[in-house]
Amino acid sequence: QKEVEQDPGPLSVPEGAIVSLNCTYSNSAFQYFMWYRQYSRKGPELLMYTYSSGNKEDGRFTAQVDKSSKYISLFIRDSQPSDSATYLCAMRETSYDKVIFGPGTSLSVIP
Amino acid sequence: DAGVTQSPTHLIKTRGQQVTLRCSPKSGHDTVSWYQQALGQGPQFIFQYYEEEERQRGNFPDRFSGHQFPNYSSELNVNALLLGDSALYLCASSNRQYSNQPQHFGDGTRLSIL
Repeated sequence: QKEVEQDPGPLSVPEGAIVSLNCTYSNSAFQYFMWYRQYSRKGPELLMYTYSSGNKEDGRFTAQVDKSSKYISLFIRDSQPSDSATYLCAMRETSYDKVIFGPGTSLSVIP
Repeated sequence: DAGVTQSPTHLIKTRGQQVTLRCSPKSGHDTVSWYQQALGQGPQFIFQYYEEEERQRGNFPDRFSGHQFPNYSSELNVNALLLGDSALYLCASSNRQYSNQPQHFGDGTRLSIL
């Protein structure tokens, strides 16, 4: 079993839809959770960064962490064609520790 | 404010050769981590440098080595290149003092092995 699992997609939605992206993990020691967006031929760009369980909202993006279920989610409201990219979940045990990434979900938002 | 910069952007090598990739961290950052991202996969941690020493290492062979300089910039060296080393190599930087802040990534070096 991989440490972090993520549905690779591809996921295709119409413009304006609500997108739900999810990851599950096996290591209960993970405390820091991140979502990155990666456009083709670019490096990962940080979208959301949360510590422990709970929700965090930033504009059209909402991140949720459920440590009891070892499950994290990213919701994108009013999706735009510019949101078309690969979304990577990532996590680590401590603030100094290496970051473990999921394989990424490819998202296409169709105008 | 310059972000993380990596050079070169693209490199082509043949099997058995050696390669050096370079990274300049974001201004104010003192810790550099290197990742390998194969096509269609998430980045995998190679190692992390702080105060010019390797602090953590992922599951990569000794063919992968690195260095950090006094100005915090870093190099990744790979010896005896294999076809499987073809990937995007990403550098990420952070500040140890603000350890609760996430890493910032560069756009990577795309390494192709023929």
